[in-house]
Amino acid sequence: GESVGLHLPTLSVQEGDNSIINCAYSNSASDYFIWYKQESGKGPQFIIDIRSNMDKRQGQRVTVLLNKTVKHLSLQIAATQPGDSAVYFCAENASNTGKLIFGQGTTLQVKP
Amino acid sequence: DAGITQSPRHKVTETGTPVTLRCHQTENHRYMYWYRQDPGHGLRLIHYSYGVKDTDKGEVSDGYSVSRSKTEDFLLTLESATSSQTSVYFCAIRTDSGGAQWTQYFGPGTRLLVL
Repeated sequence: GESVGLHLPTLSVQEGDNSIINCAYSNSASDYFIWYKQESGKGPQFIIDIRSNMDKRQGQRVTVLLNKTVKHLSLQIAATQPGDSAVYFCAENASNTGKLIFGQGTTLQVKP
Repeated sequence: DAGITQSPRHKVTETGTPVTLRCHQTENHRYMYWYRQDPGHGLRLIHYSYGVKDTDKGEVSDGYSVSRSKTEDFLLTLESATSSQTSVYFCAIRTDSGGAQWTQYFGPGTRLLVL
């Protein structure tokens, strides 16, 4: 069945360093992927997305890479800041109904 | 926040009582979703709606029903709440009406405790 998983449950980085959060997905038919950031007590916040016809997409301080060959997704955050501390989820979609499948999340801790 | 509000934001109820959660959107989006979030799990889809009176089941729909009588409101009902339904419930909208380019935004959540 479909599943989305994250390789590391917690990632601790020094302020100013770059962060890389990884995600594996199992459904080769998935054609749309989203990264969300969730702070304590809040709803998931859209960060960046990528469609399967792309390998890379950049936003402000964030980059998402998609490797369809090995069904792997990563989120890179440049110059990580304390405000980046949160749980990060990847989500995949394999239908046009928008039924997202979420991974369990990675906690990013930024050390000052 | 994509114009999404959820009510109530917090609720404590007893086992066996009915509970209705409301999701309200102000931007006339066609698609709306209900997810639940539990420790150790990511978000899991309960039900979704693709238009007024058009709904379908998600991954974890048992014990839940939904209704959408108008575009802006999507209601989630627990007919007889159980302790296993203690969770945080998130509503989401999709920012299109069925085309190829869309994304999904979430509301602030409702924290439900069933005693």
